[in-house]
Amino acid sequence: AQSVSQHNHHVILSEAASLELGCNYSYGGTVNLFWYVQYPGQHLQLLLKYFSGDPLVKGIKGFEAEFIKSKFSFNLRKPSVQWSDTAEYFCAVNAESSASKIIFGSGTRLSIRP
Amino acid sequence: GAVVSQHPSWVICKSGTSVKIECRSLDFQATTMFWYRQFPKQSLMLMATSNEGSKATYEQGVEKDKFLINHASLTLSTLTVTSAHPEDSSFYICSARIPLGGGIQETQYFGPGTRLLVL
Repeated sequence: AQSVSQHNHHVILSEAASLELGCNYSYGGTVNLFWYVQYPGQHLQLLLKYFSGDPLVKGIKGFEAEFIKSKFSFNLRKPSVQWSDTAEYFCAVNAESSASKIIFGSGTRLSIRP
Repeated sequence: GAVVSQHPSWVICKSGTSVKIECRSLDFQATTMFWYRQFPKQSLMLMATSNEGSKATYEQGVEKDKFLINHASLTLSTLTVTSAHPEDSSFYICSARIPLGGGIQETQYFGPGTRLLVL
């Protein structure tokens, strides 16, 4: 069965610091990968997604993620965070064999100090 | 982008009663919707896949007789928590997918969630 691991439960950064949130998945076949963000009091929004092609994916709000197949990883990055990036970030995977089911990681809470 | 709504946004009920939560895709048709449950400070746990015109597919450990799912139209799926108990208190989130040519390369859009508190 597929699973998703997010290594950092809570990350605290100062504004303008660089961000990298780790995500690893376990599944040997073809996968689609996602990062979702949940701002306080709001619903889940899609940050970016990888289906195929260029493993470096750019999303909204300056976020990007790199799919490294050999490492089963899909880490999220942002060169300079802002206070407004404070939110919960979820990595998710959809395996080709699971017919659209998306499995979420445990989430990483990001707190940005102004 | 696509919009998914949920109603109600929050509900408080007495133990033993049933609660119905609606999930609607507002500007697209969704043959498949998904129901998740999110506990405080935890991730989303997939409960079931709701298929229009057919029975829902439940994840392991989810009681199908307790969490009744009906997907009667291409824009509406309902989740009914039957004989609710305090341990059913949670945040319930639905999502709907926009299929692209029937393949798996598609995106799911999430509703705002429904917070259920069972007293």
